[in-house]
Amino acid sequence: GAVVSQHPSWVICKSGTSVKIECRSLDFQATTMFWYRQFPKQSLMLMATSNEGSKATYEQGVEKDKFLINHASLTLSTLTVTSAHPEDSSFYICSARVAGYSNQPQHFGDGTRLSIL
Amino acid sequence: GDSVTQMEGPVTLSEEAFLTINCTYTATGYPSLFWYVQYPGEGLQLLLKATKADDKGSNKGFEATYRKETTSFHLEKGSVQVSDSAVYFCALGPNSGGSNYKLTFGKGTLLTVNP
Repeated sequence: GAVVSQHPSWVICKSGTSVKIECRSLDFQATTMFWYRQFPKQSLMLMATSNEGSKATYEQGVEKDKFLINHASLTLSTLTVTSAHPEDSSFYICSARVAGYSNQPQHFGDGTRLSIL
Repeated sequence: GDSVTQMEGPVTLSEEAFLTINCTYTATGYPSLFWYVQYPGEGLQLLLKATKADDKGSNKGFEATYRKETTSFHLEKGSVQVSDSAVYFCALGPNSGGSNYKLTFGKGTLLTVNP
């Protein structure tokens, strides 16, 4: 149980385009989803916390107009990288947490590798 | 603020060797502690967890005990396999279930197991 699906797993696109990444909780309802960015051989950097039906909370230094997050339902959150540039190339990972329970772990998707040419 | 300090790698072992990856933490209150594993090109998978002092989390031969007195949560396995090669992350989370529940991660330790 507690499966999180992330799509696409790999995307290559030209500079200036926008890219949307989906994160779905397949077998549970997730009040909260998290978006992380991971650079090669480094730890995860939390970008934002997404709560269903409300605006995402962004971490300091993360541009909210650059990384648009929508959490329209208890099973889906999306991250849109707008006007992507080569420096946005990275591994993006989402996670979701079971609603209503404390001490429950976050469950992670398999990540999306974004390459901007 | 909360922080996690994790043994820096890389760690290279032969198959069937004993593994220890050290993890210590700083936190207010009584956090929950986790070990996550990341295989190449994939996201993170929860390996084990402990939610209170003296709890032992275990899974797939891995173990870690929540030691409040030493603020540690070291990961151990008695006999590693080649398939255990991955990056291991220690993490802590608050014990409250609020909507802004956030994990604090260590920097990760790359483990390579040779046949």
